[in-house]
Amino acid sequence: AQSVAQPEDQVNVAEGNPLTVKCTYSVSGNPYLFWYVQYPNRGLQFLLKYITGDNLVKGSYGFEAEFNKSQTSFHLKKPSALVSDSALYFCAVRDEGAQKLVFGQGTRLTINP
Amino acid sequence: GAVVSQHPSWVICKSGTSVKIECRSLDFQATTMFWYRQFPKQSLMLMATSNEGSKATYEQGVEKDKFLINHASLTLSTLTVTSAHPEDSSFYICSARDFSDSGRESGTDTQYFGPGTRLTVL
Repeated sequence: AQSVAQPEDQVNVAEGNPLTVKCTYSVSGNPYLFWYVQYPNRGLQFLLKYITGDNLVKGSYGFEAEFNKSQTSFHLKKPSALVSDSALYFCAVRDEGAQKLVFGQGTRLTINP
Repeated sequence: GAVVSQHPSWVICKSGTSVKIECRSLDFQATTMFWYRQFPKQSLMLMATSNEGSKATYEQGVEKDKFLINHASLTLSTLTVTSAHPEDSSFYICSARDFSDSGRESGTDTQYFGPGTRLTVL
């Protein structure tokens, strides 16, 4: 069975500082990993995904994520946070051959001016 | 990226009535669409997986007779909440898989989400 954990319900970062939103996963096969962002009363927007290849994946709005197989992690990062990055972030995983995407519980990111 | 639309964006209805929500993939064909429900400050709960031209697959605990899903074309899936009650009030989100970016069988395709529909049942 596949599962995702986002250990932090909330992350607060000062504007201009680097940010990290944590995600760990569990799958039986090769993981396909995704990050999405949700703004209030909106659907989810795709940020980036890891399928294979370079462990560092770059995505939209300056975000990147690093796949770490030994630690089964896929943390989301950004070198310099913006107030507009404040939103709800979801990590998701799909096991190789599976149809369903499994989501973490979400992390609310707040960037303080 | 691929665009998924939902209509309506919000709806208020009386208890006992039925409500239909449409989900469309605007610039790609989606043989598979998903319907989720999201409660306040919670993650997404998958309700059902919809495959074009066949019956939807419902998750455990989701009443298929209450939440009717139709996926009649490669760009349209509908969710009908029948005989709605206040406990059905929620944020409903659809998504569609764009197989064109990585291939249908690879599993590496991306799932794109609609903007959601806020349902309030009085």
